[in-house]
Amino acid sequence: EVQLVESGGGLVQPGGSLRLSCAASGFTFSNYAMHWVRQAPGRGLEYVSVISSNGIITYYADSVKDRFNISRDNSKNTLYLQMDSLRAEDTALYYCARDGIPARRLGLNWFDPWGQGTLVAVSS
Amino acid sequence: EIVLTQSPATLSLSPGERATLSCRASQSISSYLVWYQQKPGQAPRLLIYDASNRAAGIPARFSGIGSGTDFTLTISSLEPEDFAVYYCQQRSNWPPTFGPGTKVDIK
Repeated sequence: EVQLVESGGGLVQPGGSLRLSCAASGFTFSNYAMHWVRQAPGRGLEYVSVISSNGIITYYADSVKDRFNISRDNSKNTLYLQMDSLRAEDTALYYCARDGIPARRLGLNWFDPWGQGTLVAVSS
Repeated sequence: EIVLTQSPATLSLSPGERATLSCRASQSISSYLVWYQQKPGQAPRLLIYDASNRAAGIPARFSGIGSGTDFTLTISSLEPEDFAVYYCQQRSNWPPTFGPGTKVDIK
């Protein structure tokens, strides 16, 4: 069974940092690009970032560029999101999601499956 | 960035009724439109990719159609477990963007 389990969320003050993790199992992790998508409380879905299957290519939404860093460890089947200079507007449930198509090249596809999310709250 | 608009915001229907949800893109996205279902307290679940292809395990009562800028998700006969929020997503241009969602609730 394909499974994605996020962790690392919590309450942090504005300007602070958090590192999210997403542990993958049930598939060949190194064959898939991986994504982070967030959802503010009671709101819709916002795309955050992607990393290619080999970890070389990354992309960030403008709202998080220069503050967030996505990485992966294929030997540990784990995806990460380092979040620095956090703002109140970063408060959200952060989901990791697998790309829809296994590929070496980074494409723009669908997201399947999604983890259950980890909650990040930025507040003083 | 491509903006997706979904209508209606809320659809109130009874079990057994037909649901028709709309997603419109701010520019042509060919058939690169995806639909997800999200139930309260759960992660989104892939329903349809590339406008009309059902994902694995998705019942045949879910169908999608459209191309260019206008897309439709139809649930032919609502089951109790179908009451949820439905999001569309475009995969034509970076960044991928989502619509604001349509909530299908019980009338």
